[in-house]
Amino acid sequence: GAVVSQHPSWVICKSGTSVKIECRSLDFQATTMFWYRQFPKQSLMLMATSNEGSKATYEQGVEKDKFLINHASLTLSTLTVTSAHPEDSSFYICSGGDRGSGELFFGEGSRLTVL
Amino acid sequence: AQTVTQSQPEMSVQEAETVTLSCTYDTSENNYYLFWYKQPPSRQMILVIRQEAYKQQNATENRFSVNFQKAAKSFSLKISDSQLGDTAMYFCAPYYSQGGSEKLVFGKGTKLTVNP
Repeated sequence: GAVVSQHPSWVICKSGTSVKIECRSLDFQATTMFWYRQFPKQSLMLMATSNEGSKATYEQGVEKDKFLINHASLTLSTLTVTSAHPEDSSFYICSGGDRGSGELFFGEGSRLTVL
Repeated sequence: AQTVTQSQPEMSVQEAETVTLSCTYDTSENNYYLFWYKQPPSRQMILVIRQEAYKQQNATENRFSVNFQKAAKSFSLKISDSQLGDTAMYFCAPYYSQGGSEKLVFGKGTKLTVNP
């Protein structure tokens, strides 16, 4: 089946630095990319939805200036956590898909730890 | 606001038996998709089954089947002949458009344990 490659799978950074997480669709064109945050033993919380070539739509309560999402091509979407703080430590997951076909594929997730 | 409710935080079943996980959702859309995903400890999301809302026939995938009641906005998952490998978190998720934006929203999940 189709694959979404997400990396890094884990990253540790110092408080105040920025971290970029990439999601690449390897064998399909992801017209839509969803970005989620997942706390331990909790569900996936939708952060934002991005469509190729346009600005992301952020969910209520998600700071767009802190979580920068870029979806410049049909095969690459990035999430940049700017000026990271310990409370940003979490598991981040992307999902790429095509609304027309209803097909969705998930990345492996990225565990971010901010010291 | 669109909501997804999974009313069973935890469930357990004996190996080889059948278990049903419930899910209700709220959307004003008419055309959408519904998914059940499985998340094992590795945290990789695994698609279990998918239902297209415009199809009346319930989706089946080997030991997994759904009971889709569109009018009631209910989408339950039945796992037959449960196996130890079915132990995982299960999430229900509708995929729809809202205000020109697409959304894939997850319920809180049901932790399923299959006992030997």
